[in-house]
Amino acid sequence: AQSVTQLGSHVSVSEGALVLLRCNYSSSVPPYLFWYVQYPNQGLQLLLKYTTGATLVKGINGFEAEFKKSETSFHLTKPSAHMSDAAEYFCAVSDSGGGKLTFGQGTILTVHP
Amino acid sequence: DTGVSQDPRHKITKRGQNVTFRCDPISEHNRLYWYRQTLGQGPEFLTYFQNEAQLEKSRLLSDRFSAERPKGSFSTLEIQRTEQGDSAMYLCASSSLRGGLPRYEQYFGPGTRLTVT
Repeated sequence: AQSVTQLGSHVSVSEGALVLLRCNYSSSVPPYLFWYVQYPNQGLQLLLKYTTGATLVKGINGFEAEFKKSETSFHLTKPSAHMSDAAEYFCAVSDSGGGKLTFGQGTILTVHP
Repeated sequence: DTGVSQDPRHKITKRGQNVTFRCDPISEHNRLYWYRQTLGQGPEFLTYFQNEAQLEKSRLLSDRFSAERPKGSFSTLEIQRTEQGDSAMYLCASSSLRGGLPRYEQYFGPGTRLTVT
């Protein structure tokens, strides 16, 4: 069975500061990893994904994440936070069959002026 | 490409009533997924289709829940005899196959928020 743990249900940063959202996964097969963002009362938008190849992946809006197999982690970072980044972020894992996603519980990012 | 659409966006119903939600995936996407999201939680998988075939169902999907995708295009999710615990956001997503292999990214619709009173 797969699982995802997001450390920290709430993260608060100042505008311009580094954003770091943590995600650890458990999977019995090579994982496919995703970060999604959700704005209030909206669906989820894909930020970035790791399937195979380069372990550092870049996504939209300046976000990136690094797959570290030895640490079973896929942390999301952004060098400089913008007010518009305030939202809820979900890490998810999928098996190799392209079936269901298993999501973490989410991290709410607050950005202060 | 108009994205995944869901209808209705909001539904308020009384306990014991039946409700049906519709999802229209991105055109030509073979796979369609249903998830449920309760307040403060991540989405939980309910079921998914490849074309018209239902390939997997979660244990969360009780006998009161049924999903169909009759022509391999849109899908419906019906909840019979609704309970207050069914109150949640119901999300639909779709993904495509390329060369017979799945593309892993799923594209989500805006969701249907169900409130059972």
